[in-house]
Amino acid sequence: DADVTQTPRNRITKTGKRIMLECSQTKGHDRMYWYRQDPGLGLRLIYYSFDVKDINKGEISDGYSVSRQAQAKFSLSLESAIPNQTALYFCATSEPTWGGEKLFFGSGTQLSVL
Amino acid sequence: AQKITQTQPGMFVQEKEAVTLDCTYDTSDPSYGLFWYKQPSSGEMIFLIYQGSYDQQNATEGRYSLNFQKARKSANLVISASQLGDSAMYFCAMREGRGYNQGGKLIFGQGTELSVKP
Repeated sequence: DADVTQTPRNRITKTGKRIMLECSQTKGHDRMYWYRQDPGLGLRLIYYSFDVKDINKGEISDGYSVSRQAQAKFSLSLESAIPNQTALYFCATSEPTWGGEKLFFGSGTQLSVL
Repeated sequence: AQKITQTQPGMFVQEKEAVTLDCTYDTSDPSYGLFWYKQPSSGEMIFLIYQGSYDQQNATEGRYSLNFQKARKSANLVISASQLGDSAMYFCAMREGRGYNQGGKLIFGQGTELSVKP
């Protein structure tokens, strides 16, 4: 089983619909992240959480919300999906270090908003 | 302004040859970290190598090395003895600030697509 699991792997939805992307991890890490990947733009940080009671906005949080239900679970919601939210979404985890804190990514969720 | 710039949208290399993927960065923070990730066609993100701003020596991980030129603000990835399985998208990323405080808050470049020819 993957250490960082994202569901669903693919989702097609319509403009205006509410949608939730889920992420669970078995690595025991406190720190979790949601990134979005658009072609030609690399990955951009949407939200991050350094522990269960900590939620922070990233670079592109508008139109998104998150919930950290437990150490192992971090979900991303689009309250009212719009077509420019069509992208590949990655969940990731890390553990605190003083040096190079490596991200462990899930396999991604391809979201299409029609 | 772009904080991470990868100027090569696509690169070709012959199998068994070495290849350098360029990355320049921009930060005023004296403490930062530089990362390279590989994304194969299957989509997953795979960590390759890390270089801290205070590290004196260039990082190496197997066939991967990072050519860190601090004054030029460049962090090029060198892949030696390319293999067909190296064909993928490669992303350079930066963390501004100390790892303990900033964690995995990374800024990514646009990526370079590497194709290895047999």
